[in-house]
Amino acid sequence: DIQMTQSPSSLSASVGDRVTITCQASQDISNYLNWYQQKPGKAPKLLIYDASNLETGVPSRFSGSGSGTDFTFTISSLQPEDIATYYCQQYDNLPNSLTFGPGTKVDIK
Amino acid sequence: QLQLQESGPGLVKPSETLSLTCTVSGGSISSSSYYWGWIRQPPGKGLEWIGSIYYSGSTYYNPSLKSRVTISVDTSKNQFSLKLSSVTAADTAVYYCASAARPTPFDYWGQGTLVTVSS
Repeated sequence: DIQMTQSPSSLSASVGDRVTITCQASQDISNYLNWYQQKPGKAPKLLIYDASNLETGVPSRFSGSGSGTDFTFTISSLQPEDIATYYCQQYDNLPNSLTFGPGTKVDIK
Repeated sequence: QLQLQESGPGLVKPSETLSLTCTVSGGSISSSSYYWGWIRQPPGKGLEWIGSIYYSGSTYYNPSLKSRVTISVDTSKNQFSLKLSSVTAADTAVYYCASAARPTPFDYWGQGTLVTVSS
């Protein structure tokens, strides 16, 4: 099974700060890496698909990059409404592997 | 735009079978190339993919749950369903249904339903 690690597990930043979250896969997953935002009590929301593609309607301050095993998610200027937990999710090949990372909780300092 | 809504019992006894249904509106569940999935989240924890079903009926399950999971589609009702057998307290979670134009990403999600396993 492909294992996903995310770091940090939590962070606190000020409004306007640049925030970066990393996700690492235990083996090459090409660009099959998605990022979701989950606010308390709500379903996850897709932000980035295929490592770097912004989902329609998602603000451009969110971005993603990477391929292979190492991926990065960035919020260019943190806003109060960005307080949430962010999950990466990899897809290798059904039925073998579809897993979520452990999540990164983002708070306002 | 698709809308998904989970339904089913909020309380299930240990050793019994958990059964949930996801009703899809705004599109046909038999639409070409769509996958319909179930994801769960134990209280305070992360997300776990349970399994997905392709519009053709092919099923794909998380290997760690495969022996206990069945996902099926009812095209006449525009619904898909989850059955998880022999549940324990560890299966207590919010269960989400979701759709994907490919195996992933999941682009539309239901609001989620909490299922508690307790006697």
